[in-house]
Amino acid sequence: KQEVTQIPAALSVPEGENLVLNCSFTDSAIYNLQWFRQDPGKGLTSLLLIQSSQREQTSGRLNASLDKSSGRSTLYIAASQPGDSATYLCAVRGGSGTYKYIFGTGTRLKVLA
Amino acid sequence: NAGVTQTPKFRILKIGQSMTLQCTQDMNHNYMYWYRQDPGMGLKLIYYSVGAGITDKGEVPNGYNVSRSTTEDFPLRLELAAPSQTSVYFCASSYSITEKLFFGSGTQLSVL
Repeated sequence: KQEVTQIPAALSVPEGENLVLNCSFTDSAIYNLQWFRQDPGKGLTSLLLIQSSQREQTSGRLNASLDKSSGRSTLYIAASQPGDSATYLCAVRGGSGTYKYIFGTGTRLKVLA
Repeated sequence: NAGVTQTPKFRILKIGQSMTLQCTQDMNHNYMYWYRQDPGMGLKLIYYSVGAGITDKGEVPNGYNVSRSTTEDFPLRLELAAPSQTSVYFCASSYSITEKLFFGSGTQLSVL
């Protein structure tokens, strides 16, 4: 059964710092991995989608990497801003013979001004 | 393009009542999903559909039912509501298994 873990559960950093959020999964036979942002009381917004054949994807100050063999993905946020404060979730599609998305429990990020 | 639209946004039910959460998408997506999100627990898949007329159970289907008569609509039915069904419910859709997942804004449900 595919399991997705995100560490740390919460993170507080000063504005301007570069930071890395981690996501690990147990079954490497995945189709793709997606990073989402969730603001309090809101739905999930897709940030980056990495296909299983890709190593990384970039969008603005965000960079996501994927290492299937080790079951890991990282989300790198450069020059963090208070507006980046949110919960970040990773979701893995596939593994254990399924094409459904399995979600991690998220990392709650607070960027201090 | 409205994307994924969920109604209602909030609802309070009494134990034993029934209701339907509505979800519609205008992106011609084949895959649709219902998730529930409990505090600190991540998202759990309730039901999903790979196309009109095809539905299947997810991780936590008990107490729920779905139907998919059209590509656009994927309603979630709660029968005999219980306090354990208090949660935030999200509908999501994607065109294929290689495309992005899009979410609705959620329905906050309380069963008292």
